[in-house]
Amino acid sequence: GAGVSQSPSNKVTEKGKDVELRCDPISGHTALYWYRQRLGQGLEFLIYFQGNSAPDKSGLPSDRFSAERTGESVSTLTIQRTQQEDSAVYLCASSLFGGGNTEAFFGQGTRLTVV
Amino acid sequence: AQSVTQLGSHVSVSEGALVLLRCNYSSSVPPYLFWYVQYPNQGLQLLLKYTSAATLVKGINGFEAEFKKSETSFHLTKPSAHMSDAAEYFCAVMGTGANNLFFGTGTRLTVIP
Repeated sequence: GAGVSQSPSNKVTEKGKDVELRCDPISGHTALYWYRQRLGQGLEFLIYFQGNSAPDKSGLPSDRFSAERTGESVSTLTIQRTQQEDSAVYLCASSLFGGGNTEAFFGQGTRLTVV
Repeated sequence: AQSVTQLGSHVSVSEGALVLLRCNYSSSVPPYLFWYVQYPNQGLQLLLKYTSAATLVKGINGFEAEFKKSETSFHLTKPSAHMSDAAEYFCAVMGTGANNLFFGTGTRLTVIP
């Protein structure tokens, strides 16, 4: 596609429910990043994929959070048993190879509200 | 480990005045440094990046940043602010040989007519 696409754009869920957030990176981009942006705060790194592998999962806040990537393309971020503290905008970015010489392109984000 | 600190969560300048947004980095290896901008209701986009080719980096919309190793800084400047520059600006760092891109907390720029 022309850019990074995230779906849904908005999600309201009840506390305790599971949610899946989807990211479609730019075609051919091997690196994919997930971030969380709480209201009024910066971007919190969650996880990074190179191809289908996640060399760094250190940013995942708890074992309720997981992510996978298939076909070196689509990635899904899953939050189980959502809590109100999970409310945030979840941003996905992709880049051609990873590393500093390539630009990371961001999607518009998924705004998650846990009620 | 890499991290960035952005001084000032909010900066206000008059239209036509100098814009200076501060960013200091911490990195155990030579860093790559980035400035991203987020306009209202839009996604983040790259403004400029430092990858060791030149210490003074020019970006889009008249912005530039200078890498100063002695000060561990990568401040963003623009000589004359325009109303359209009002946005949230994020500094980010990546260590060479690494692929994690870490962001600062952001600085919201307001331009006063």
